[in-house]
Amino acid sequence: ILNVEQSPQSLHVQEGDSTNFTCSFPSSNFYALHWYRWETAKSPEALFVMTLNGDEKKKGRISATLNTKEGYSYLYIKGSQPEDSATYLCALTYGNQFYFGTGTSLTVIP
Amino acid sequence: EAGVVQSPRYKIIEKKQPVAFWCNPISGHNTLYWYLQNLGQGPELLIRYENEEAVDDSQLPKDRFSAERLKGVDSTLKIQPAELGDSAVYLCASSTTGDAEAFFGQGTRLTVV
Repeated sequence: ILNVEQSPQSLHVQEGDSTNFTCSFPSSNFYALHWYRWETAKSPEALFVMTLNGDEKKKGRISATLNTKEGYSYLYIKGSQPEDSATYLCALTYGNQFYFGTGTSLTVIP
Repeated sequence: EAGVVQSPRYKIIEKKQPVAFWCNPISGHNTLYWYLQNLGQGPELLIRYENEEAVDDSQLPKDRFSAERLKGVDSTLKIQPAELGDSAVYLCASSTTGDAEAFFGQGTRLTVV
């Protein structure tokens, strides 16, 4: 079992602020790292899949980086908007299984 | 392309009653997962299917939980009898292979009273 940790557990930011969350994991022995956005009453939506050390992915105002050597990934949101309010889940795939963190709950205050 | 479909979206039952959840994965996805998500925690795997075979059910409480995936497509998850502690969101997901990106349904929120 891989222990995936996310911090902070929850976050409140003002509209327009930039923010970032952390996903940390104990080992570089994994196939891929996934970031999901989970809005209330909706399905978790895949944001990024990263496999290589140094990977950087970007989608609009959201970007992510991966450091497998030190065991962490950052998710950045530039200029947060109220529609960014959601729980952001990090997951590792290893041995044909997903290991999820507990998520970071983001609330963007208008 | 239709996504993963789960039903019902919400279910309220009394303890000791049975309950069943249904999942229709994305067409062509061989791998199907059932996850349990308690408030404030990340999803935890209950069972993983590769086609119709349950390849990982080590976290499934087999005394009260059961699952099936007939013909390797739709799947049902059953709890009998339900306990108060079973109140949670039950998520179904599917992917093309075990390591590929997983696509999730909207989940079934179960409340046991």
